[in-house]
Amino acid sequence: DGGITQSPKYLFRKEGQNVTLSCEQNLNHDAMYWYRQDPGQGLRLIYYSQIVNDFQKGDIAEGYSVSREKKESFPLTVTSAQKNPTAFYLCASSAGLTNNQPQHFGDGTRLSIL
Amino acid sequence: DAKTTQPPSMDCAEGRAANLPCNHSTISGNEYVYWYRQIHSQGPQYIIHGLKNNETNEMASLIITEDRKSSTLILPHATLRDTAVYYCIVVNYGGSQGNLIFGKGTKLSVKP
Repeated sequence: DGGITQSPKYLFRKEGQNVTLSCEQNLNHDAMYWYRQDPGQGLRLIYYSQIVNDFQKGDIAEGYSVSREKKESFPLTVTSAQKNPTAFYLCASSAGLTNNQPQHFGDGTRLSIL
Repeated sequence: DAKTTQPPSMDCAEGRAANLPCNHSTISGNEYVYWYRQIHSQGPQYIIHGLKNNETNEMASLIITEDRKSSTLILPHATLRDTAVYYCIVVNYGGSQGNLIFGKGTKLSVKP
């Protein structure tokens, strides 16, 4: 079945450590996105990519970095500069960045600080 | 800020139709109405979307009023697994970031 796979499901970070969250899709989608969700809150966009080798900052990009070397992969690195990284991280993809193309989500990675 | 208004919670009996309303009175001509749902600790699941015509798929039906200021998501035969928070959102990327603005949604509880 086609879909979006995020790993790991749970991740723990030590102070001063960078961690990388994986997102892979086999839907042949051009666009991919990273969101952050805090308890009881909506989604906030971190980064998005419309095409391979190109990505743009979202509303809360500080302390995060991404790469898009392959169409199917869009890893997110949470750097030590992100002072409040504890959250639920969601990756999504869509066929394109148009109003008529739904975003499909993975099952998320829950990041906590040790 | 979310452009939609939804009731905070609703109950539905198992096997009955669940009708979830949404107001989007400021919607503009090229904005689509999308519905997602989120079960606790999982990612949002896409359900259905539409512009002005009613839509139906294997999960649900979407009824949009003629003036497009409101819509209703219909789950025809609700099951216990349909218990989730349902989000109605208005989408207009318009050269912007592709950001989905989720409001507080409606918590649907399907009861046996």
